Amino acid sequence: GQSLEQPSEVTAVEGAIVQINCTYQTSGFYGLSWYQQHDGGAPTFLSYNGLDGLEETGRFSSFLSRSDSYGYLLLQELQMKDSASYFCAVSYKLIFGTGTRLQVFP
Amino acid sequence: TAGITQAPTSQILAAGRSMTLRCTQDMRHNAMYWYRQDLGLGLRLIHYSNTAGTTGKGEVPDGYSVSRANTDDFPLTLASAVPSQTSVYFCASSRDATVVGTDTQYFGPGTRLTVL
Repeated sequence: GQSLEQPSEVTAVEGAIVQINCTYQTSGFYGLSWYQQHDGGAPTFLSYNGLDGLEETGRFSSFLSRSDSYGYLLLQELQMKDSASYFCAVSYKLIFGTGTRLQVFP
Repeated sequence: TAGITQAPTSQILAAGRSMTLRCTQDMRHNAMYWYRQDLGLGLRLIHYSNTAGTTGKGEVPDGYSVSRANTDDFPLTLASAVPSQTSVYFCASSRDATVVGTDTQYFGPGTRLTVL
C-alpha cells in the first residue's frame, strides 16, 4: 500500500520555530513536496525535495532523507498568517498526506 | 493573470443527476489534474492529463470521467452523482509532467459539491 503520515495538529507561538514531519511508504518515489492551505482556500506550493538534504526558501525549509523515507518542513519566525494546514505529497502518482493543522498563537 | 478558474463555485446536486465541473487555465501548462478533498483524508487525485489529448487515472477515478480536447480546458464529469461524491474539488495544473508530480502544481479555487 501507499501511505504518508504526518501529525494532525501542531501549535506554536509567534516567533517560534516548528517542525512538521512526514514519513512515507510508497511503491515509487521521485520526491517530496509541501503545500500550504488556509481555511477555505486552495493549496499553494511551498517546496520540493528531489534529493536528500535541506532546501531553504526564506522562513521555510524542507528536508528529505530517502534512506529513512522521511522528510520535514521547518517554519521559522512564525507569524499569525502561518496558521494553516500543511500537506506533504509524494511524487509518483501524487499521493498527499492528510495534512497538519498549524495554529500560531500570539 | 487569472491562472486557473473553476466553475461553479458551489453546487447542490440531486443524486442520479449528471454534472460537469469546469476548469480552465491560461498559463499554457501541459499537465492538468483533478483532486477531491474530504475532511480528514487530504487531497486525492481523481484523474490527470499530461498533455492535450491524453488522460490518466489517479487514486480514486471511479464515477468520474475527464477529457482534454485542448491545452486550456480540463472538465470533470460525474455521470450519475452519488452522495459519497460530496466533496470539494480542486483543479490544478503544472508546466510539465515528464515525471508526474515533480513540477510545481498551481491550484484553482475549488468547487464545493453537495450531492443529496
